[in-house]
Amino acid sequence: AQSVTQPDIHITVSEGASLELRCNYSYGATPYLFWYVQSPGQGLQLLLKYFSGDTLVQGIKGFEAEFKRSQSSFNLRKPSVHWSDAAEYFCAVGSSWGGGSQGNLIFGKGTKLSVKP
Amino acid sequence: DGGITQSPKYLFRKEGQNVTLSCEQNLNHDAMYWYRQDPGQGLRLIYYSQIVNDFQKGDIAEGYSVSREKKESFPLTVTSAQKNPTAFYLCASSIPGGGLHNEQFFGPGTRLTVL
Repeated sequence: AQSVTQPDIHITVSEGASLELRCNYSYGATPYLFWYVQSPGQGLQLLLKYFSGDTLVQGIKGFEAEFKRSQSSFNLRKPSVHWSDAAEYFCAVGSSWGGGSQGNLIFGKGTKLSVKP
Repeated sequence: DGGITQSPKYLFRKEGQNVTLSCEQNLNHDAMYWYRQDPGQGLRLIYYSQIVNDFQKGDIAEGYSVSREKKESFPLTVTSAQKNPTAFYLCASSIPGGGLHNEQFFGPGTRLTVL
């Protein structure tokens, strides 16, 4: 079965420091991978996505992620964190198998990011 | 602007009452989804609909019902059979078919509290 694991429940970084949020997936075929961000009490906003091609993808707000097939990982990175980046981050993998579930996403449980001044 | 609207933002329900959460989209998407979010649990799929007049149960459909009479609308009813309905509910939409069309767009959410 497909699954997504985000090993870190909560991470705290200092403003200006670099950030890496981990995501591991379990999927039999070529995965379609996403990172979303959620501010408190809000919906989810797409940061970036990977379908194929270059394994380093750029997203909004200065984020990037690297797909590593050998490690089944899709880690999110940012070189310098801003206080406004404090939020919860969700990794997701897209389902491409049949049975009517095409288009469904499987989400990790999220990583909450706190930023110290 | 195209997007997804959910109403109300906050909803309070007495035990034993049914309540309906609204979700409307003007993105011309065929597929729509309902998720439940609890702290530390991520997003769990309640129901999804790939096309008008058709919908499928997700992972936690018990105690919930939906309808899809119009492309733009996918209301969710939380029934009295749902034992622990207090949660944050998110609606999303996408172009169905998998692959490039997996990207889902989310509404702002409805927080339901049972009193």
